[in-house]
Amino acid sequence: AQKVTQAQTEISVVEKEDVTLDCVYETRDTTYYLFWYKQPPSGELVFLIRRNSFDEQNEISGRYSWNFQKSTSSFNFTITASQVVDSAVYFCALRGWNDMRFGAGTRLTVKP
Amino acid sequence: DGGITQSPKYLFRKEGQNVTLSCEQNLNHDAMYWYRQDPGQGLRLIYYSQIVNDFQKGDIAEGYSVSREKKESFPLTVTSAQKNPTAFYLCASTFGDRLSGYGYTFGSGTRLTVV
Repeated sequence: AQKVTQAQTEISVVEKEDVTLDCVYETRDTTYYLFWYKQPPSGELVFLIRRNSFDEQNEISGRYSWNFQKSTSSFNFTITASQVVDSAVYFCALRGWNDMRFGAGTRLTVKP
Repeated sequence: DGGITQSPKYLFRKEGQNVTLSCEQNLNHDAMYWYRQDPGQGLRLIYYSQIVNDFQKGDIAEGYSVSREKKESFPLTVTSAQKNPTAFYLCASTFGDRLSGYGYTFGSGTRLTVV
């Protein structure tokens, strides 16, 4: 069975702080894909990044970076120098042979 | 621009009433999905469809029904059998190949409230 765990329910930081959102997954599939989505107050889930199970290179996109460690089944997301506009719910997701499974989400609040 | 359109944005249902949530996509995606979102519980899969005229139950299908008569459309009916329908409903779509690695594209959601 596939499972995604986001242990942090809510995180609150002050603007310009760095923040890391944790994601741990379980799957028996050898080929799978990991995703992060952002859900702003408007409700729509916005795609941020995709990683396949064979590519453990970390990725950086502006203030966002992702750390994929297959040995610990983790796919953590770091926001550097957070901004108020980063306030949202963030979901980690796993897609293997079965359909996509989502974590419970982490609500990030960035205070000015 | 291509995308997924969900309507209405807000919907109010009386006890014992069936309501239908609309989901239309113009992305030429094969697969479509319905998720329910409750506070603190993430997204739970209600129904999904990989091809036209075929659909499967997800984890919480009881009290819901769907149809897939056209590739572009995947309406969800919340029936009176669903005892706690108040939630945020999200529709999603993607290309059908399960191991292609395509992510899902989401609509903007429908917030259903029982009054």
